Amino acid sequence: AQKITQTQPGMFVQEKEAVTLDCTYDTSDPSYGLFWYKQPSSGEMIFLIYQGSYDQQNATEGRYSLNFQKARKSANLVISASQLGDSAMYFCAMSLRDDKIIFGKGTRLHILP
Amino acid sequence: GAGVSQSPRYKVTKRGQDVALRCDPISGHVSLYWYRQALGQGPEFLTYFNYEAQQDKSGLPNDRFSAERPEGSISTLTIQRTEQRDSAMYRCASSPAAGGLNQPQHFGDGTRLSIL
Repeated sequence: AQKITQTQPGMFVQEKEAVTLDCTYDTSDPSYGLFWYKQPSSGEMIFLIYQGSYDQQNATEGRYSLNFQKARKSANLVISASQLGDSAMYFCAMSLRDDKIIFGKGTRLHILP
Repeated sequence: GAGVSQSPRYKVTKRGQDVALRCDPISGHVSLYWYRQALGQGPEFLTYFNYEAQQDKSGLPNDRFSAERPEGSISTLTIQRTEQRDSAMYRCASSPAAGGLNQPQHFGDGTRLSIL
């Protein structure tokens, strides 16, 4: 079955520390994409970063990087030097060749001053 | 417009009424997706279109739900004979090209539907 699992319902992190949000996925399809989205309390969904299943290098976008471990089927999001504005819900998602997108249940991140 | 626009932002209606939710994607975007998001949960796939063609409607909960995109641009999600369990945030997203494999989606702000 195709599935995204985010095991951390909530996390508290001190400002300026790095934070890792966990995501594991399950698919038998060799072609897939992995995404992370941020949802602040305002409710919008903001695209952060993308990793393709055939990409050799981990994706990076500014303070965001995706720790892609294909053999372990994990795609953890790493936020360096966290800021108060990073407090939000974070969703991991997987896209498949049939164009369907599957989202995880999310992790609520709280950055403490 | 610059982003994906959804209307209405909020809809409150009585059980048994029909509702129509509208999505205006980013101009030129080929793919359009509909999701339902319960509070504190991730978006749940409902259906999607490439141009005007509905590609997959396997996520629609039952036959009270339908969607169309007749001219390949604006889409309408219709729920007939609404029930209280239909209360949720309904989100629309679009992406520039067909094939969601490597296309980040641009989400609208959603329609919050409340069934009394």
